[in-house]
Amino acid sequence: DAMVIQNPRYQVTQFGKPVTLSCSQTLNHNVMYWYQQKSSQAPKLLFHYYDKDFNNEADTPDNFQSRRPNTSFCFLDIRSPGLGDAAMYLCATSRDRQGMETQYFGPGTRLLVL
Amino acid sequence: AQRVTQPEKLLSVFKGAPVELKCNYSYSGSPELFWYVQYSRQRLQLLLRHISRESIKGFTADLNKGETSFHLKKPFAQEEDSAMYYCALKCNRLAFGKGNQVVVIP
Repeated sequence: DAMVIQNPRYQVTQFGKPVTLSCSQTLNHNVMYWYQQKSSQAPKLLFHYYDKDFNNEADTPDNFQSRRPNTSFCFLDIRSPGLGDAAMYLCATSRDRQGMETQYFGPGTRLLVL
Repeated sequence: AQRVTQPEKLLSVFKGAPVELKCNYSYSGSPELFWYVQYSRQRLQLLLRHISRESIKGFTADLNKGETSFHLKKPFAQEEDSAMYYCALKCNRLAFGKGNQVVVIP
């Protein structure tokens, strides 16, 4: 059973055209994370939600936003995608912050910017 | 600043040979380290944590604070061990290394 679901698996967008990536979870976990992973690079945390509390990483560009309308869903919005934003975007969850080391990852959405 | 270094991108080993994946870290606090694995066409998942000191799928990892290392080892590699392995440090978030691609040659 899929526990962390990401849609779509592949997303193609145009330079400067807003795009939204979706993540949902069936684990009822309090924390949801968004990572960006470029080729041959480490997954890089963009931000996370602890319940409704949004926590942005200091070096996450303003171009990246997130919404969490309820426990199950979390969205990543890229307001004006640039060529450098092409990457794999991973969503993950953990039961709580203290247990952040046990994260459950989705399959990822690969974003292509034309 | 917290940093995790995995120096080797690709590691090829023959089936039955030992495999060791190196991980070094820099962190001013008390480190908690983990290994994550991603098999082909599967999700990234937790493999083991240093606190548990257990063997998972034949893999072990010992935290060496003197050398700031957390190398992953398995004495006899199997074909199903072919995967991408990431070392991760728990600070105020999980900081991942760049990963090691392991290919086990039959």
